[in-house]
Amino acid sequence: GENVEQHPSTLSVQEGDSAVIKCTYSDSASNYFPWYKQELGKGPQLIIDIRSNVGEKKDQRIAVTLNKTAKHFSLHITETQPEDSAVYFCAVRRGNSGYSTLTFGKGTMLLVSP
Amino acid sequence: SAVISQKPSRDICQRGTSLTIQCQVDSQVTMMFWYRQQPGQSLTLIATANQGSEATYESGFVIDKFPISRPNLTFSTLTVSNMSPEDSSIYLCSVGPGQRQPQHFGDGTRLSIL
Repeated sequence: GENVEQHPSTLSVQEGDSAVIKCTYSDSASNYFPWYKQELGKGPQLIIDIRSNVGEKKDQRIAVTLNKTAKHFSLHITETQPEDSAVYFCAVRRGNSGYSTLTFGKGTMLLVSP
Repeated sequence: SAVISQKPSRDICQRGTSLTIQCQVDSQVTMMFWYRQQPGQSLTLIATANQGSEATYESGFVIDKFPISRPNLTFSTLTVSNMSPEDSSIYLCSVGPGQRQPQHFGDGTRLSIL
């Protein structure tokens, strides 16, 4: 089955700095890569996603890059703010159908200090 | 995105009892998923709930322990049966609106077993 590794497990940055979280996956047939943010007491919230036919996607301060050859993708957060503090999960899905299931990484706890 | 409501949001239960968790979506969705998130851990898929058919369980999860209902396209229940302290977790409902659509999560049910 699919194996997703996520690094680092914790990340502390100063407000205004950039943060980068990286995930690697094992199944070369995987073609959908979402990122979720989970705040304390809440469920995971989809913040950005990318499909395998795209190398990069950006949404304001958040961007995701994908290297299919190396089988890794990364979340980039620029100009971090204290409200970015949360646990971030990457996920991978194989197939073009919503019926395929997601495999999640173990999560990264991001702490942004004022 | 779909609005997903879970009930109860939290509960404390006695060992050996059962609890049914409800998941209501504000729009019709094809796929509903149930996940478990143990304290400080990632998300583990319990089962996929399809309307009009039996749920599909992942390895390590069985119907006798986690019976699921999916009576229509907007509602599902997960029952945690004969609970033990090891069942203390967050249980999350998730929906996949359709093919090539992102997957969204409810805020979860925080379950503690005494």
